[in-house]
Amino acid sequence: QKEVEQDPGPLSVPEGAIVSLNCTYSNSAFQYFMWYRQYSRKGPELLMYTYSSGNKEDGRFTAQVDKSSKYISLFIRDSQPSDSATYLCAMSGHAGGTSYGKLTFGQGTILTVHP
Amino acid sequence: DTEVTQTPKHLVMGMTNKKSLKCEQHMGHRAMYWYKQKAKKPPELMFVYSYEKLSINESVPSRFSPECPNSSLLNLHLHALQPEDSALYLCASSQDSASAELRTQYFGPGTRLLVL
Repeated sequence: QKEVEQDPGPLSVPEGAIVSLNCTYSNSAFQYFMWYRQYSRKGPELLMYTYSSGNKEDGRFTAQVDKSSKYISLFIRDSQPSDSATYLCAMSGHAGGTSYGKLTFGQGTILTVHP
Repeated sequence: DTEVTQTPKHLVMGMTNKKSLKCEQHMGHRAMYWYKQKAKKPPELMFVYSYEKLSINESVPSRFSPECPNSSLLNLHLHALQPEDSALYLCASSQDSASAELRTQYFGPGTRLLVL
């Protein structure tokens, strides 16, 4: 079993839709959670970062963490064609843990938003 | 400014060549990372430098040799690579690798490497 599971999709939605992207994890040492967006042939771009359970909002993006269920989500409201990319969840642990100093990534979800 | 730059953008090399990839950041970050990414896969960590010292080597073959000349620069020296080493090589940096909340990593655009 992978430490982080992410549905690779692909996911195709119409413009304006609400998109929900999800990851589950098994390592309870993970304390810090990130979402990256990666356009084709580019490096990953940090979208959201959170370290507590609950919601964090930034514009059209909301990151949600449920540590009790080991489940994180990224919601994109009013999706745009420019949101078409691969979305990667990533996690890291606290100092002293086995995941110290490392990011563990999900497989990435390919999202297409069509006009 | 959250920019990490990488050169070259593209590199084609033969299996007997020696080449280097370069990475630079001016955010005052003290941790820098090399990743390898194959198509449709997430990045795989190769090396971590913390305060200019190698802190993590993920059992990477010795044909990859990292170097951190100073806190802003990171190199990856390549020698006698194999065709299966063809990939996107990503550099990232973070404020610190010791304090988890400062560990948010910012990635460069990558160097696309093709080994013939």
